[in-house]
Amino acid sequence: KAGVTQTPRYLIKTRGQQVTLSCSPISGHRSVSWYQQTPGQGLQFLFEYFSETQRNKGNFPGRFSGRQFSNSRSEMNVSTLELGDSALYLCASSFGGPTASSYEQYFGPGTRLTVT
Amino acid sequence: KNQVEQSPQSLIILEGKNCTLQCNYTVSPFSNLRWYKQDTGRGPVSLTIMTFSENTKSNGRYTATLDADTKQSSLHITASQLSDSASYICVVSDSWGKFQFGAGTQVVVTP
Repeated sequence: KAGVTQTPRYLIKTRGQQVTLSCSPISGHRSVSWYQQTPGQGLQFLFEYFSETQRNKGNFPGRFSGRQFSNSRSEMNVSTLELGDSALYLCASSFGGPTASSYEQYFGPGTRLTVT
Repeated sequence: KNQVEQSPQSLIILEGKNCTLQCNYTVSPFSNLRWYKQDTGRGPVSLTIMTFSENTKSNGRYTATLDADTKQSSLHITASQLSDSASYICVVSDSWGKFQFGAGTQVVVTP
């Protein structure tokens, strides 16, 4: 079974631009969660989507948004990029269930975003 | 204040030796606790998941323990190998499915 895939793997953007990251979950998984990882803050939860609906949200500004399609693929968008948005963005998929933590989460390799 | 605290922040061990990593949490109401291993430049990989009623869980040379009363967990690595060099992250989720992450322990195994 193919794992979680994320595209692109690396991205360089300038301040003020916007970016869209993509995540394809494991076949059959309906939950997709997004995380930001930085050396200073560690892993931080952005949001979780289940059956095309945002089910949980972390403490990030509205510049960070996402969506999920009917095939469970998910996209994350960051508008008006800031230098501090430079990070590894990880997505994780799971079967779903009552909450995102009900089942095992499988992480993708991440997208390394650099904002200059 | 972070609801999941890990210690030590980093450690260096000799190949073949054992080590133990600690995780203390205040997340409530508790749902489950997970340990992940993250190699540099890769996504985290799950090692163990424990619920309230589980005290110990093993995955090969990795053994996790959970004391839900004191809200403490440990991850023991037996007979370390060079491939164990990684960051180990403790993640605790509450009953609503929200995850709280520890900052991780960076383990370096030297020959």
